[in-house]
Amino acid sequence: DIVMTQTPLSLSVTPGQPASISCKSSQSLLHRDGKTYMYWYLQKPGQSPQLLIYEVSTRFSGVPDRFSGSGSGTDFTLKISRVEAEDVGVYYCMQSLQLPVTFGPGTKVDIK
Amino acid sequence: QVQLVESGGGVVQPGRSLRLSCATSGFIFSSLGMNWVRQAPGKGLEWVAVIWSDGSKKDYVDSVKGRFTISRDNSKNTLYLQMNSLRDEDTAVYFCASMGLDVWGQGTTVTVSS
Repeated sequence: DIVMTQTPLSLSVTPGQPASISCKSSQSLLHRDGKTYMYWYLQKPGQSPQLLIYEVSTRFSGVPDRFSGSGSGTDFTLKISRVEAEDVGVYYCMQSLQLPVTFGPGTKVDIK
Repeated sequence: QVQLVESGGGVVQPGRSLRLSCATSGFIFSSLGMNWVRQAPGKGLEWVAVIWSDGSKKDYVDSVKGRFTISRDNSKNTLYLQMNSLRDEDTAVYFCASMGLDVWGQGTTVTVSS
């Protein structure tokens, strides 16, 4: 199985400041079709997970442009350019290159 | 508007069975594969199972193989998860999600306890 790791596991951010979360996979997530099957989700308190970024860097419909994803191979980053109060929750990276689909442990983000 | 609504959760004793349902609307259900993902209390997300659009292919996380069965009824736009021989560690919120894991339901809670 592909293991996903995230750092940090918790983050406290001042509103308006940037934030960054790293995710590493135990093997490359690049498929022979040229796509990289790496995703980012946010689970707000009491809600189901919502997709933020798919295939490393493409924002899902309705996701604000303060969220951006980057990386390749086994190393990926989610950046929030200016954190807002509504961004609190747990951020998960996920791979769907191969089954079983696996998630990172999550990074809990709160506001200072 | 795409909607996924899970039901069927509850409290069940270890070793017993439960069937979850996921009613869908707003898209052509028969053309899309579907997933189940779970989240134990206070824990992270764990993918459970996937089924292809026509039901021809299914796969499961190792911990539920031989105990859980994913199925679908394309005439009813509904996804199912039959859970047998339930264990304490199956206690979780169970979410259904689209094939691309881009749309999720709100979840249904399963508690396995004697």
